[in-house]
Amino acid sequence: QVQLVQSGAEMKKPGASVKVSCKAGGYTFTDYFIHWVRQAPGQGLEWMGRINPNSGATNLAQKFQGSVTMTRDTSISTAYMEWSSLKSDDTAVFYCVKLWGWTVAGTSDFLDVWGQGTAVTVSS
Amino acid sequence: ETLLTQSPATLSLSPGERATLSCRASQYIGNSLGWYQQKPGQAPRLLFYYASNRATDIPARFSGSGSGTDFTLTISSLEPEDSAVYYCQQRRSWPDTFGQGTKLEIK
Repeated sequence: QVQLVQSGAEMKKPGASVKVSCKAGGYTFTDYFIHWVRQAPGQGLEWMGRINPNSGATNLAQKFQGSVTMTRDTSISTAYMEWSSLKSDDTAVFYCVKLWGWTVAGTSDFLDVWGQGTAVTVSS
Repeated sequence: ETLLTQSPATLSLSPGERATLSCRASQYIGNSLGWYQQKPGQAPRLLFYYASNRATDIPARFSGSGSGTDFTLTISSLEPEDSAVYYCQQRRSWPDTFGQGTKLEIK
C-alpha cells in the first residue's frame, strides 16, 4: 500500500543541523510532490514547502527559505528535509506528506498520505 | 498569504449531538479546501478534499460544505472517537496554509 516512512527522533544542540528522511513506498515516487509540514509542541500545522521528486525543484514558504533545504534520491524513493542552524524554539514534529491535489504532471490526485512524523528536539 | 480562521477554538458536546465547525478564508479560494482530523500522537487524517468530497473510509456522519470563503465541517451525530483537533487547509493560493484548529471534546 502507499506509505511514507520517516526516520527516527532526533535530539540536537542549538546551532546544529538535522536531516530527516522520508521513504516512499507503494507508488511511483517521481509522480507526486512531497510536502513537509511542521507542528511545534501543542501548536497547529504549518506548511513548509514541497519538492518535485521528478525534477528536484523545490518551493519553500518564505519563513523557511535560507534555513531549510529539501532534496531527494530517486534511486531509493526517498525525500529529505534538512534544517540548519537550529534554535531551541525550532523543536517540533516534522511530517512528510503526499498531499491531495495534483500530480507533478498536473493531473488530479485525491490520495493523501502522511508519514508517521519525526520529532526533532533542540536543547542545550 | 491566505489566512484561514477557524471557529470556535474549542467545542464541547455530548455523544449524539451535532457539531458544526467553521473555516473562513481571508480571500477567495473556490473549493480548494481540505479538512483534517488529528488525534493526540497521530498524524493528521484527511476527511474532505475540495470542500465536500469525502476521503476514503470517512464515515457518512461527517460532511463538508462551502465554497468561496466560508466552509463548514459538520458531524451529524457525535461518537466518542470523534474527539480530536480539526484543521482546515487551503490549496488554492501560494503558500498552502492551515487554520489554527478547532478542538472538539466529547463530554
